[in-house]
Amino acid sequence: QSALTQPPSVSAAPGQKVTISCSGSSSNIENDYVSWYQQLPGTAPKLLIYDNNKRPSGIPDRFSGSKSGTSATLGITGLQTGDEADYYCGTWDSRLSAGRFGGGTKLTVL
Amino acid sequence: QMQLVESGGGVVQPGRSLRLSCAASGFTFSSYGMHWVRQAPGKGLEWVAVIWPDGSKKYYVESVKGRFTISRDNSKNTLYLQMDSLRPEDTAVYYCARHVGGGSSWDYWGQGTLVTVSS
Repeated sequence: QSALTQPPSVSAAPGQKVTISCSGSSSNIENDYVSWYQQLPGTAPKLLIYDNNKRPSGIPDRFSGSKSGTSATLGITGLQTGDEADYYCGTWDSRLSAGRFGGGTKLTVL
Repeated sequence: QMQLVESGGGVVQPGRSLRLSCAASGFTFSSYGMHWVRQAPGKGLEWVAVIWPDGSKKYYVESVKGRFTISRDNSKNTLYLQMDSLRPEDTAVYYCARHVGGGSSWDYWGQGTLVTVSS
């Protein structure tokens, strides 16, 4: 059972916007930074957002991150078919002294 | 360019050992914390372990404590994961990943190496 809770799936049409939530607790999200990853089938995860809302070089501004209290959100605008993938949130849990990922959310672009 | 290349995966019987390696290039390896993350077939990501840049601190997920050991050789730009007393539930693709930013974020990942624990 993941310490971070994500919806199993989300879907939206091309060009639309979607948000993916990540719910945690005071020992992880509330007191540490959150990161987000995209994983295409058969490939390694790719960092989309780090330190809650920062984008690495090369990540388009269609991807955004935010955090409030014990929850974080990934937003994707202008959806493309190439955005179909699994998305994971991640953070550090200070109570467990361990990294944590959400269970993952499968994005379908209809 | 930056690269992480894992090796050492394979098929191993329950109770046996395996050592994974992760060769780093294209960046100053000794300046970064390094992690192992695994993914069981068809499942999500699971964080496994972290080691500080100088090797001074190490942390593990509860399920591998006492069985797995993370280490590094900064002179060889290589990260290791010694896995002992392997169990079928350790079957997964194991990724090494570089730490970035203020919290637990991983900006570069290797391609992964598959470990299968089966009799």
